[in-house]
Amino acid sequence: ETGVTQTPRHLVMGMTNKKSLKCEQHLGHNAMYWYKQSAKKPLELMFVYSLEERVENNSVPSRFSPECPNSSHLFLHLHTLQPEDSALYLCASSPAPGAPHAGELFFGEGSRLTVL
Amino acid sequence: AQKITQTQPGMFVQEKEAVTLDCTYDTSDPSYGLFWYKQPSSGEMIFLIYQGSYDQQNATEGRYSLNFQKARKSANLVISASQLGDSAMYFCAMRAIMDSSYKLIFGSGTRLLVRP
Repeated sequence: ETGVTQTPRHLVMGMTNKKSLKCEQHLGHNAMYWYKQSAKKPLELMFVYSLEERVENNSVPSRFSPECPNSSHLFLHLHTLQPEDSALYLCASSPAPGAPHAGELFFGEGSRLTVL
Repeated sequence: AQKITQTQPGMFVQEKEAVTLDCTYDTSDPSYGLFWYKQPSSGEMIFLIYQGSYDQQNATEGRYSLNFQKARKSANLVISASQLGDSAMYFCAMRAIMDSSYKLIFGSGTRLLVRP
């Protein structure tokens, strides 16, 4: 089984829809992340959870709502999105910070979101 | 503030030859880690290699090596004996180690195309 699994892989939604992205990690890591990857832009960190507590929130619009019910699962709830929110949303996990390789993130394959 | 710069939007290399992908960084943190990731067309970000700022030797992982020049603040990735499967986007990233920050900052990436 792959380390980090994201579903769905592809999602098309209208601006009035409500949908959720799901991420699951089987690596025993403490931290989970949501990144947004838009065309021709660096990866943007959206949220970080450590042991189910949100530790980073990078000025993300409220139409994106994360949820971390346990250390293995992470959700990104989407509602009233805009076309500019169309992007690849990548989930990742890592060990807790402090360890030398703590920045080594293990990524899922991403959820390609298109907002019409 | 931390910043990663990748000045090569695209690179070509002939199969079986070596290629260097450039990365420069800026940080005021005394201790940090540098990472390279590969992103094939499938979307998943794959960890390649890690270099700690206090490591005495340049990191190597199989065909990947990191040319770390601390004074110049550069961390170039060298891929030896290029293979067709190396065609992908390559991202340089950095994270401070000494604090509790979870932020892994990415560059804008370099698209590598290996020619047969």
